[in-house]
Amino acid sequence: GENVEQHPSTLSVQEGDSAVIKCTYSDSASNYFPWYKQELGKGPQLIIDIRSNVGEKKDQRIAVTLNKTAKHFSLHITETQPEDSAVYFCAASWGGGADGLTFGKGTHLIIQP
Amino acid sequence: EAEVAQSPRYKITEKSQAVAFWCDPISGHATLYWYRQILGQGPELLVQFQDESVVDDSQLPKDRFSAERLKGVDSTLKIQPAELGDSAMYLCASSLRAGGSTDTQYFGPGTRLTVL
Repeated sequence: GENVEQHPSTLSVQEGDSAVIKCTYSDSASNYFPWYKQELGKGPQLIIDIRSNVGEKKDQRIAVTLNKTAKHFSLHITETQPEDSAVYFCAASWGGGADGLTFGKGTHLIIQP
Repeated sequence: EAEVAQSPRYKITEKSQAVAFWCDPISGHATLYWYRQILGQGPELLVQFQDESVVDDSQLPKDRFSAERLKGVDSTLKIQPAELGDSAMYLCASSLRAGGSTDTQYFGPGTRLTVL
């Protein structure tokens, strides 16, 4: 089955700086790669996703890049703000988003004021 | 904005007792998922429904866990008997349809289970 590795497990950045979280996946058939943000005591919230026919996607301060050859994808957050502090999870699936997601172990992002 | 509803939000039980969690997906969503999230880890899929049918329950510990979605709308996940290792967050998610190339899963707030 699919295996998703996520790094780093903890990331601390100064407010206003950029943050990058990286994930690798094992199943070359995977074609859907979402990123979720989870705040303490809450369920995961989708922040951005990318599908295998696209190399990069951007939404305001958030961007995701996908390298299918290397089987890795990354989340980029620019101009970080205190409200960006949370745990971020990457995930992968081969069903275009309709099948069960395989998640990474998460990155705890800390924004230092 | 439509949301996935779950109840209860918190549940404390003793081992060997039975527990049940309820989920109401976003209206019109045909696909429903139950995930388990152990503290400090990512969610893991337990079971997936398409309407009232189970699509994938390969990771569901069937000796103690059961799930149903009788009318293809809301769903119940049951554990009997509960064990200490079942302490986790149980998350429900829904998506519009299966087999789509542009589907997205939306998660509920979860039920935090503590087994004593």
